[in-house]
Amino acid sequence: AQTVTQSQPEMSVQEAETVTLSCTYDTSESDYYLFWYKQPPSRQMILVIRQEAYKQQNATENRFSVNFQKAAKSFSLKISDSQLGDAAMYFCAYRSALRGGADGLTFGKGTHLIIQP
Amino acid sequence: DGGITQSPKYLFRKEGQNVTLSCEQNLNHDAMYWYRQDPGQGLRLIYYSQIVNDFQKGDIAEGYSVSREKKESFPLTVTSAQKNPTAFYLCASQEGSRGNQPQHFGDGTRLSIL
Repeated sequence: AQTVTQSQPEMSVQEAETVTLSCTYDTSESDYYLFWYKQPPSRQMILVIRQEAYKQQNATENRFSVNFQKAAKSFSLKISDSQLGDAAMYFCAYRSALRGGADGLTFGKGTHLIIQP
Repeated sequence: DGGITQSPKYLFRKEGQNVTLSCEQNLNHDAMYWYRQDPGQGLRLIYYSQIVNDFQKGDIAEGYSVSREKKESFPLTVTSAQKNPTAFYLCASQEGSRGNQPQHFGDGTRLSIL
């Protein structure tokens, strides 16, 4: 079974600064998908960014980018120019490609991101 | 507006009672999912369904049951066999079966024991 580890229970960053959230995963598979989701206090889960394992290029969405290191099984999220609205729990998630693309996700335990004004 | 509706928002269960959480989507998505979230934890998969009249167990299916009689509906029943049901439950759906497609989530149901 795959596991996802987020080693930082909590991170704090000054507004407008850059922060990196760590995620590592354990799998024997070569084809899979990785996601970062954000959960603000409203508890709604919101997709931040996604990455296909077969793509070497790191995904980018505006201020959010990832550093995907397949050999190291690492998938960190970088948030640039942090804003107060970025404060939330951030979850890293893994999906196997073995049984098609509609399997459930395996989530890490999350990192609580605090933005200091 | 298209989306996923979970009801009720808060639910209380008595000992020995079964309760059903509702999840309805009008996104015309094929796949639907149920996750459980405990404090300080990530989401864990309970059940999922890729098509109508078919569903699979996730990592923590014991004490839960589901049905998928209609494409838009995927109710979750928490049975009396689930000894620790207090948690936040999230329903999600996904369009199609490409692995890079994100799951869309409802607003959740918080279940507590009386």
